[in-house]
Amino acid sequence: EVQLVESGGGLVKPGGSLRLSCAASGFTFSNYSMTWVRLAPGKGLEWVSSISSVSVYIYYADSVESRFTISRDNAENSLYLRMDNLRVEDTAVYYCARVPTRELAPPTAQFDSWGQGTLVTVSS
Amino acid sequence: DIQMTQSPSSLSASVGDRVTITCRASQGIGIHLNWYQQKPGKAPRLLIYISSSLQSGVPSRFSGSVSGTDFTLTISNLQPEDFATYYCQQTYTIPVTFGGGTTVE
Repeated sequence: EVQLVESGGGLVKPGGSLRLSCAASGFTFSNYSMTWVRLAPGKGLEWVSSISSVSVYIYYADSVESRFTISRDNAENSLYLRMDNLRVEDTAVYYCARVPTRELAPPTAQFDSWGQGTLVTVSS
Repeated sequence: DIQMTQSPSSLSASVGDRVTITCRASQGIGIHLNWYQQKPGKAPRLLIYISSSLQSGVPSRFSGSVSGTDFTLTISNLQPEDFATYYCQQTYTIPVTFGGGTTVE
């Protein structure tokens, strides 16, 4: 059974940093691209960033470009999102999800398995 | 960026109803359109991918179709567990974009 478990969320002040983690199990992690998606309070789903199976392709939404860094450790079956210079508008539940392709040259594929999410709150 | 316009933003329905949700892309995306269901406090769930392919384990009352840049999710015979928010998503190009969501209540 595919399992994705996010961790690392919490309360942080504007300008602060957090590192989210996503532990994967139940599939061969190194064969899949991965992605982060967020859901802000009262809003809809927003794609944040994606990374291909061996990190050749990496993409970011304009809203997080230069502030967030996606990475992965295939030996540890883990996905990460380093978030710097956080803003109030980054407050959201952050989900990691699996993309059933090795590469991410557009058009990319659907997000077929999701974690339960971790809450990030940016507030003074 | 490709804008995905979903309608309606909410709808009221009853068990047994046939429900239709539409999503329009601001430019051509071929068939690269996916549908997700999300319940409060839960992770999104993939329902339909590449416009009309049913994800494994999803009941056959869910179906998807496309006509040009207009995409439709249909739920036939609405069940109690189907009351949720539904999102369309285009994966034709980066950035990946979602529709604004449709809440079925």
